[in-house]
Parts: sequence; C-alpha cells; structure tokens
Amino acid sequence: DGGITQSPKYLFRKEGQNVTLSCEQNLNHDAMYWYRQDPGQGLRLIYYSQIVNDFQKGDIAEGYSVSREKKESFPLTVTSAQKNPTAFYLCASSGPMANEQFFGPGTRLTVL
Amino acid sequence: AQSVAQPEDQVNVAEGNPLTVKCTYSVSGNPYLFWYVQYPNRGLQFLLKYITGDNLVKGSYGFEAEFNKSQTSFHLKKPSALVSDSALYFCAVRDQNTGFQKLVFGTGTRLLVSP
Repeated sequence: DGGITQSPKYLFRKEGQNVTLSCEQNLNHDAMYWYRQDPGQGLRLIYYSQIVNDFQKGDIAEGYSVSREKKESFPLTVTSAQKNPTAFYLCASSGPMANEQFFGPGTRLTVL
Repeated sequence: AQSVAQPEDQVNVAEGNPLTVKCTYSVSGNPYLFWYVQYPNRGLQFLLKYITGDNLVKGSYGFEAEFNKSQTSFHLKKPSALVSDSALYFCAVRDQNTGFQKLVFGTGTRLLVSP
C-alpha cells in the first residue's frame, strides 16, 4: 500500500447521491487506474489515465467519472447513474514499460 | 483479446507442504505476467512478475512462479506453506505489444493454509 493513499476507507451513500473517492500517489507515476472489486469477479477496470489531463474509459465506465488535473491525484466520482455501486474500489498507479502496478488500500462503498 | 484463467476458486494445503496456485493466460503476442496477493479489506500487493528471460521467477515471501510458454501457464509456487500465506491470490497478464499497461486480472484463488 505504500505510496498510494485512498480516502475514505469506508463510505456510505444514499440512493441518488453522487460521491467522490480520493486517490493520491507520491510515486511520481504517470499512469493511474481505478478498479472495482466484487466477490468472485476479480478486478474490473473502470477508468485509467496515462498522463495528466487525459483519461480513458475502462471496461465498466458507465455511471462513473474521473478527472486528472494533477499528476498525483485521480479522484473517482460514483454518480447516481451507477445502478449497483456497492463494491470495493481500488486505485493503482504504475511507472513505465513493464513495471507492476501499485495499489492503494481501497475504499468500501455501501449504498444505503 | 487477452485473458487470464484461475481454474481453482480455493486451494487448501497444510502448513509445511508445498503449494501451487494455477494460472493460464491468453495473449496475441508475448506476455507480461504478474502475481498479486490480497489480504482481507486491503489493496493488492505485488509478489512477482515475468517479463523475459529465465522461466523461473522468484519473488517476495519465498514465492516463485514458472513461466511455461507452450502451456501458456504461470503457476505460483512455494516450497513450504505458512498459515500466514492464507489470502486471495490474483494472476494478471498484459500483452507486450499493446503499448499501454492495461492489465487483465483473473478472478482470484483463495489459499487456505491449515496449521
């Protein structure tokens, strides 16, 4: 978990609300990622960013939005359009070429 | 398209015995392969990776993995399991030719080491 922080650790959302999950890294990595983890389904890519001010949709982007205004930060907004947002959300970053991704500790989002 | 399969949802092994967690992959070109471990309510921790060269890769905490190109496999192994190795293990692959580091993860294998 070192080098990447996510907050909050637990988040509760009411139906119809937008919520923003924070992800910050001090590894000087260009690339950052957001994954969603559900039991038995592994990790699914929501959005990724290769460089500041640029990001791309992953496999399950509907109902989510991101921004990348600073190299260190890649916040994820879960909008009311996301029909089933209860999940464990993981942020990651990576350096160049074949370097591995480093993961944050995760945020568990629960819709009440 | 690239994909990863972890055929076992759970692997049970007694402490002190060798363990193997299986992974097979599919990519159009040459693969980069990774193993990660996840403890409850935590992020993923990197264990080891294969890029090129020696087929036997050694990683953290005594784990190793063997790359087998003909069988498109990258099984994770440890000679002597510890109770503390009990966790969820993920295999991941990226095609070396894609130009960007999008990883595809398997669904995970839960390892349970009994005392």
